[in-house]
Amino acid sequence: DTGVSQNPRHKITKRGQNVTFRCDPISEHNRLYWYRQTLGQGPEFLTYFQNEAQLEKSRLLSDRFSAERPKGSFSTLEIQRTEQGDSAMYLCASSFISGGGADTQYFGPGTRLTVL
Amino acid sequence: DQQVKQNSPSLSVQEGRISILNCDYTNSMFDYFLWYKKYPAEGPTFLISISSIKDKNEDGRFTVFLNKSAKHLSLHIVPSQPGDSAVYFCAARVAYSGAGSYQLTFGKGTKLSVIP
Repeated sequence: DTGVSQNPRHKITKRGQNVTFRCDPISEHNRLYWYRQTLGQGPEFLTYFQNEAQLEKSRLLSDRFSAERPKGSFSTLEIQRTEQGDSAMYLCASSFISGGGADTQYFGPGTRLTVL
Repeated sequence: DQQVKQNSPSLSVQEGRISILNCDYTNSMFDYFLWYKKYPAEGPTFLISISSIKDKNEDGRFTVFLNKSAKHLSLHIVPSQPGDSAVYFCAARVAYSGAGSYQLTFGKGTKLSVIP
């Protein structure tokens, strides 16, 4: 399977705990995006990387959230001191872009986080 | 303020008939539009896209129409099949030059039910 993969698929944690999610993009895709989706809403942009550089962060990404993409391959999203409002589906997407062309983002299956 | 709106939360269509899903946007800087399909507990799957320089794009049973003056796009599925039953998201992107993020802005989705 050469699609975007995410682990774990489900995570249940207690309020105040730290959690980390992993995303493996489609190989050779140079862009990687994180989105969050809550019930009844569409995905909302959190942050993105071009290769290993984190180029943009949404105001939704509080200082409890941190994302990395070492070596421009897989990415991790960490949430510190989780709150019940962090409960959501966290989606990762990847794309390849060259120059100014349009890129299509391909999504992984998501990690569903439940904070008790 | 929602920049991408899908005003119909749900739609039911008989198998074999046409499904028409609508999407309106407010940001005139959007230049690229995509439709994604999402099954429960899965990530969004890319269906079809259209650039703002076109007014129609077709791929098999799926056709997307763009009316820039009305800031409106629609997805037509002909003929509809029971396997098309899913939530459909409209997404749009603002074009930036250089290292622009191309983050996607999503609507809230329309749940399509195709009745056998």
